[in-house]
Amino acid sequence: KAGVTQTPRYLIKTRGQQVTLSCSPISGHRSVSWYQQTPGQGLQFLFEYFSETQRNKGNFPGRFSGRQFSNSRSEMNVSTLELGDSALYLCASSTGTGRGADTQYFGPGTRLTVL
Amino acid sequence: AQSVTQLGSHVSVSEGALVLLRCNYSSSVPPYLFWYVQYPNQGLQLLLKYTTGATLVKGINGFEAEFKKSETSFHLTKPSAHMSDAAEYFCAVSDGNNRLAFGKGNQVVVIP
Repeated sequence: KAGVTQTPRYLIKTRGQQVTLSCSPISGHRSVSWYQQTPGQGLQFLFEYFSETQRNKGNFPGRFSGRQFSNSRSEMNVSTLELGDSALYLCASSTGTGRGADTQYFGPGTRLTVL
Repeated sequence: AQSVTQLGSHVSVSEGALVLLRCNYSSSVPPYLFWYVQYPNQGLQLLLKYTTGATLVKGINGFEAEFKKSETSFHLTKPSAHMSDAAEYFCAVSDGNNRLAFGKGNQVVVIP
């Protein structure tokens, strides 16, 4: 099976702009989670989508949003970008049925730089 | 809320020596525990996980970890380090809602 893919791999934006990142999960996986990775804060959970519904949400401001399509592909959007949003954004997919015991399979990430 | 503590951001180990990475967790419910590895410019790859059952878990690349409830620990070990083990290692805990809480990570350097 193909792994989790994320596009684009690299992005450079300026403050105030918005950005959309895309994630295609492993075939058959219905859960997609997003994480932000920064040197200072480490890996932090953003949100999880399962069958097109947001099922879990982390402690991020409303500028961070996401959605999931019927084919399980997911997008996350960050509006009004701030310098502190510069990070590696990781997407992970899983079956979503294991009540937290699922293995989450991670994509290579999108490196976002905000200038 | 669940959390993970990994001490020592950088760990140096000689090639052929024991690799030991410590992980302590906090969880209000029986935890699911994971170790992931991240190579430069890549995503995270699962090394091993504990859900239920046997407390000694074997993973890929010769790694293993033991779940000790009394010590709230899930330390990762490998008997003999290889140069290819140089990477960043993350311990994570899930409390059952498919949402991982990660530790700060250990950057492992292998000295020839």
